[in-house]
Amino acid sequence: AQKITQTQPGMFVQEKEAVTLDCTYDTSDPSYGLFWYKQPSSGEMIFLIYQGSYDQQNATEGRYSLNFQKARKSANLVISASQLGDSAMYFCAMREGPGNEKLTFGTGTRLTIIP
Amino acid sequence: GAGVSQTPSNKVTEKGKYVELRCDPISGHTALYWYRQSLGQGPEFLIYFQGTGAADDSGLPNDRFFAVRPEGSVSTLKIQRTERGDSAVYLCASSPTGGKNIQYFGAGTRLSVL
Repeated sequence: AQKITQTQPGMFVQEKEAVTLDCTYDTSDPSYGLFWYKQPSSGEMIFLIYQGSYDQQNATEGRYSLNFQKARKSANLVISASQLGDSAMYFCAMREGPGNEKLTFGTGTRLTIIP
Repeated sequence: GAGVSQTPSNKVTEKGKYVELRCDPISGHTALYWYRQSLGQGPEFLIYFQGTGAADDSGLPNDRFFAVRPEGSVSTLKIQRTERGDSAVYLCASSPTGGKNIQYFGAGTRLSVL
């Protein structure tokens, strides 16, 4: 089974609208961390937001928020008031268990913001 | 700049040749990671260093791949007898120890094996 599933290969959104990028994960470990990264055409992976499995509240970082639904094993990224510069690939990733530092990534969603 | 630096940005080589890819992490970061990203895919883990030692090399695909970090800072990923299937973007990341251990990535080295 896929550890991280991103079911939207591509999305088109009008500028200034909010957008939700889906991510579901699969783990039996009670301790894990979930990450979202942005990869523009330049190739660099830019860290956006982190959610720990024991965190009581959904993470927020500026225009980014993470809709964490633990029972459904989903960690959707919400971008509010989208901008043209948000056009990029977005990857969801997971780190499982204490002492395990490697990230497992999904296949990504290509987001295009339309002016 | 204070980010993760990777050199070269592009490397073209011939099948069977040896290549070295370099990663200079963020100053003070004790952990360093190598990932490989094939076209249309997310990055895949290769190896993780804590200080000078490889703490987890479970992602290295075979013994043609080797990585070192002799002084606990700069790391070199070495690929022997390159094959066309090794063509990918090789990403390096570093993180501080403790807390959320957020990994910060470089821009990658695009390796093309002809």
